[in-house]
Amino acid sequence: DTEVTQTPKHLVMGMTNKKSLKCEQHMGHRAMYWYKQKAKKPPELMFVYSYEKLSINESVPSRFSPECPNSSLLNLHLHALQPEDSALYLCASSRPGQLSPYGYTFGSGTRLTVV
Amino acid sequence: AQSVAQPEDQVNVAEGNPLTVKCTYSVSGNPYLFWYVQYPNRGLQFLLKYITGDNLVKGSYGFEAEFNKSQTSFHLKKPSALVSDSALYFCAVRDGNTGNQFYFGTGTSLTVIP
Repeated sequence: DTEVTQTPKHLVMGMTNKKSLKCEQHMGHRAMYWYKQKAKKPPELMFVYSYEKLSINESVPSRFSPECPNSSLLNLHLHALQPEDSALYLCASSRPGQLSPYGYTFGSGTRLTVV
Repeated sequence: AQSVAQPEDQVNVAEGNPLTVKCTYSVSGNPYLFWYVQYPNRGLQFLLKYITGDNLVKGSYGFEAEFNKSQTSFHLKKPSALVSDSALYFCAVRDGNTGNQFYFGTGTSLTVIP
């Protein structure tokens, strides 16, 4: 299995809703990432988990809350989002290690619309 | 500081013609360089990477890239473009010495005209 699976593919939520994005991989990767991507822009790093521990938080607002319950799963909990948070949210995984030459495997993303 | 530049926002090429998508980089250590392609509403798909060794790297779907250390470039090329190659292309770099995070270029939108 060489895939990163993200669910749901599309999500529309109101500004008072609570929802979660899910990401799963079974490649034995121990580093997992959340990225936010606006249309025709490069992905922006949000969070990095290494060995199930949060290692990087790129000053993301607290309305985004990541969780890594085990080595295969990564969640992003959403609460009280703003319309400007509408974007494609990408999950990625890789072999960990700062000197790793390996690239990332990306999921297909969740298209989030905040109304 | 690590950075990647893709100087062209848009590249148009006729089907069957060779294509080039440009990328230059800046890292303090040894560069690990990557190309990814993104189709509409999809995630990024890995095309190829340069870590060490031969400067000409061959990747998926007939793409290749040439690492040029003196010009700090890693241009993506394909001898004969297909309409299905139309997509958004991202160059990315990782510093092999310090292990800093991935840095993406701003992306180049490639349109292959039938």
